[in-house]
Amino acid sequence: DVKVTQSSRYLVKRTGEKVFLECVQDMDHENMFWYRQDPGLGLRLIYFSYDVKMKEKGDIPEGYSVSREKKERFSLILESASTNQTSMYLCASTPAPGQGIYGYTFGSGTRLTVV
Amino acid sequence: SQQGEEDPQALSIQEGENATMNCSYKTSINNLQWYRQNSGRGLVHLILIRSNEREKHSGRLRVTLDTSKKSSSLLITASRAADTASYFCATGGGTALIFGKGTTLSVSS
Repeated sequence: DVKVTQSSRYLVKRTGEKVFLECVQDMDHENMFWYRQDPGLGLRLIYFSYDVKMKEKGDIPEGYSVSREKKERFSLILESASTNQTSMYLCASTPAPGQGIYGYTFGSGTRLTVV
Repeated sequence: SQQGEEDPQALSIQEGENATMNCSYKTSINNLQWYRQNSGRGLVHLILIRSNEREKHSGRLRVTLDTSKKSSSLLITASRAADTASYFCATGGGTALIFGKGTTLSVSS
């Protein structure tokens, strides 16, 4: 069963900490995405990647960075966590080409609380 | 940049009834997709309809697309309690999918 795996379901971090959210897919997909989901705001795109070592900013990249050293792994980094980054984070992948042509496979999400 | 907007925001029905959700969008697309999200979980892809298609079926799901009105509808027939979830439309054609805010469907037995 193909899947996207996010390393943590729930995470609690302190303000100012550097936070790593990991996402791994086993489908050999070229494209990977990070969204955050907040009540009343829906899903908003943070970053995406079309290839190894490649990244593109989404709609809300401020305060975040990403890393894609291997095809199967896409990491989201909160450089200095703040309380307004408390949210549900969703990782997704899709085969090339990634321009919204195929359905996305999502991970189960990481609910991050910053205190 | 929010593109799709679902309507209604919330819908409550009885088991066995049909549920209809609508999605409107603003710019041109090459496809529109629907996803389901059970509480606190990730999204699951339900169906994709391309811009040159008008209707598509998958099991109890029926999706229509009207590109002249920039709108789509998702019909779930003979709803079950297990259909209780949030449903999102997403538009494709740019660099990544853009999701709406979702419709929350509650199906009571």
